[in-house]
Amino acid sequence: QKEVEQDPGPLSVPEGAIVSLNCTYSNSAFQYFMWYRQYSRKGPELLMYTYSSGNKEDGRFTAQVDKSSKYISLFIRDSQPSDSATYLCAMSSGGSYIPTFGRGTSLIVHP
Amino acid sequence: GAVVSQHPSRVICKSGTSVKIECRSLDFQATTMFWYRQFPKKSLMLMATSNEGSKATYEQGVEKDKFLINHASLTLSTLTVTSAHPEDSSFYICSLTTGTTRGAFFGQGTRLTVV
Repeated sequence: QKEVEQDPGPLSVPEGAIVSLNCTYSNSAFQYFMWYRQYSRKGPELLMYTYSSGNKEDGRFTAQVDKSSKYISLFIRDSQPSDSATYLCAMSSGGSYIPTFGRGTSLIVHP
Repeated sequence: GAVVSQHPSRVICKSGTSVKIECRSLDFQATTMFWYRQFPKKSLMLMATSNEGSKATYEQGVEKDKFLINHASLTLSTLTVTSAHPEDSSFYICSLTTGTTRGAFFGQGTRLTVV
């Protein structure tokens, strides 16, 4: 079992839809949870960063962490074609600055 | 967050030659930088941790003589792919952490094609 599982998709949604992206993990030591957006042929860009359980909102993006279920989510409201990208989840433990990444979910938002 | 500049963004080289990729931290002094490799539809694979003024720490299975890393200053780390072969063709990305967040900041990536 991989430490971080993420469905690669692709996930195709119409413009304006609410998008839900998810990851599960097995390492209970993970305390820091991140979401990155990666456009084609570009490096990942940090979108959201969360410590421990709970919700965090930033504009159209909401990150949720449920440590009891070892499950994290990223919600995108009012999705736009410009949101089309690969979204990678990542997480790290308290003793490491090196995140463990999921394989990424490809999102396509069509007009 | 930190601004990371990676160069070149794309390079094509002949088999057997060496290629150097530069990663610069433009607004942060990074004692530690990281090098990743990414295959299509695959996750980021950490290759090595680059430490300023000392030897890099390589992940298991990564050939240190093949992928030479030099972190000569607090703002520059380089990855040299020596005697490149077609199987080295990949997307290489550098990153750093600022210490104030566990998030990492990435360069733009380098698409290496060995022909």
